[in-house]
Amino acid sequence: DQQVKQNSPSLSVQEGRISILNCDYTNSMFDYFLWYKKYPAEGPTFLISISSIKDKNEDGRFTVFLNKSAKHLSLHIVPSQPGDSAVYFCAASVGAGNMLTFGGGTRLMVKP
Amino acid sequence: DAGVIQSPRHEVTEMGQEVTLRCKPISGHNSLFWYRQTMMRGLELLIYFNNNVPIDDSGMPEDRFSAKMPNASFSTLKIQPSEPRDSAVYFCASTDGSREAQHFGDGTRLSIL
Repeated sequence: DQQVKQNSPSLSVQEGRISILNCDYTNSMFDYFLWYKKYPAEGPTFLISISSIKDKNEDGRFTVFLNKSAKHLSLHIVPSQPGDSAVYFCAASVGAGNMLTFGGGTRLMVKP
Repeated sequence: DAGVIQSPRHEVTEMGQEVTLRCKPISGHNSLFWYRQTMMRGLELLIYFNNNVPIDDSGMPEDRFSAKMPNASFSTLKIQPSEPRDSAVYFCASTDGSREAQHFGDGTRLSIL
């Protein structure tokens, strides 16, 4: 049973536009959520996180939104750049620093 | 500052052979995690250690898999005997246990023929 799901395996956007990646979870115990970015032949790289006590966290072009009642989070990238093309993983844990449960990933392609 | 270091980067071996994957966490980090990535199951946790002690190994697929952390700067994941279905990318990650996110190594791509 997948506790963290990313229902869109891929997403294509034009450079300069907004990219929105979505993630749903089922475990109500999750209280810490992260987004990782992964390039081929490299390990996942941490992008941004959010605690369940917040509903929004922003870092430069990246913003994560959390809707606890819907058990849904999203990552917004504005403006999108070709270098953002990668696979994005959503992850969740019970407590920060603990084991992560990952979604299946969404491949983002940003076209010049 | 060096990140998480994994070796080897690639391993190709025949089924039945013993395989040992190695990981050096970031200095000062006290939690270490082993993950496996496959097309079918995505990224899944195998085992994690806190202060060199295994905390949760419920993700270890079978007795053929074992992991050790003899000291704070080194961990191994061993598969004996290896099978073709063990072919995957194995990642190691570490964290200092605070709110800091886990840092991942670049993985070991394992192919069992």
